[in-house]
Amino acid sequence: SAVISQKPSRDICQRGTSLTIQCQVDSQVTMMFWYRQQPGQSLTLIATANQGSEATYESGFVIDKFPISRPNLTFSTLTVSNLSPEDSSIYLCSVAWGGNQPQHFGDGTRLSIL
Amino acid sequence: QKEVEQDPGPLSVPEGAIVSLNCTYSNSAFQYFMWYRQYSRKGPELLMYTYSSGNKEDGRFTAQVDKSSKYISLFIRDSQPSDSATYLCAMRSEGGSEKLVFGKGTKLTVNP
Repeated sequence: SAVISQKPSRDICQRGTSLTIQCQVDSQVTMMFWYRQQPGQSLTLIATANQGSEATYESGFVIDKFPISRPNLTFSTLTVSNLSPEDSSIYLCSVAWGGNQPQHFGDGTRLSIL
Repeated sequence: QKEVEQDPGPLSVPEGAIVSLNCTYSNSAFQYFMWYRQYSRKGPELLMYTYSSGNKEDGRFTAQVDKSSKYISLFIRDSQPSDSATYLCAMRSEGGSEKLVFGKGTKLTVNP
């Protein structure tokens, strides 16, 4: 099965700064997604990363706070901007190899805000 | 009412027991149903992927979907200490968005 790599695996950041998370897949994928997993909460979809066009955001998530890039079929980044303690969470990348195919996840980035 | 409800547990069983994990949901449009296993400090790992109602078996794992009751289950036979993890149910509708809607997860401990 394909390898989905996320970097960094964890980070501790200061309030007001930004963190960019990378997701790299070792094969081309049709779809890439970004999720958030907050303590005690369900995994929640932030946005779908579309190759060559703007990401599609879910209700409650905006581009200014969570800008996403997807320059090719194997790579995407999620930036969490203007960090606040409420952004402390695990951020997960998932991929799928076609419509109606199951999603597979990376190991996530654990973000803590001081 | 949340779209997907899952008892967070924790659930503790002896080795060799049969484990039953369940989720209920409210959105009748859901057609694809998944179970993921998540070990501590790891991402969710896909265990089972089913479409519409029915049963699916894979080794010691059996997934059941009852769309009439909006109820899905995962059974683990002959449970092992290595099955100790958090189990997440997820589901999505057919067509349109690929968005997965997750339960909160059930933490399972299998004691040797």
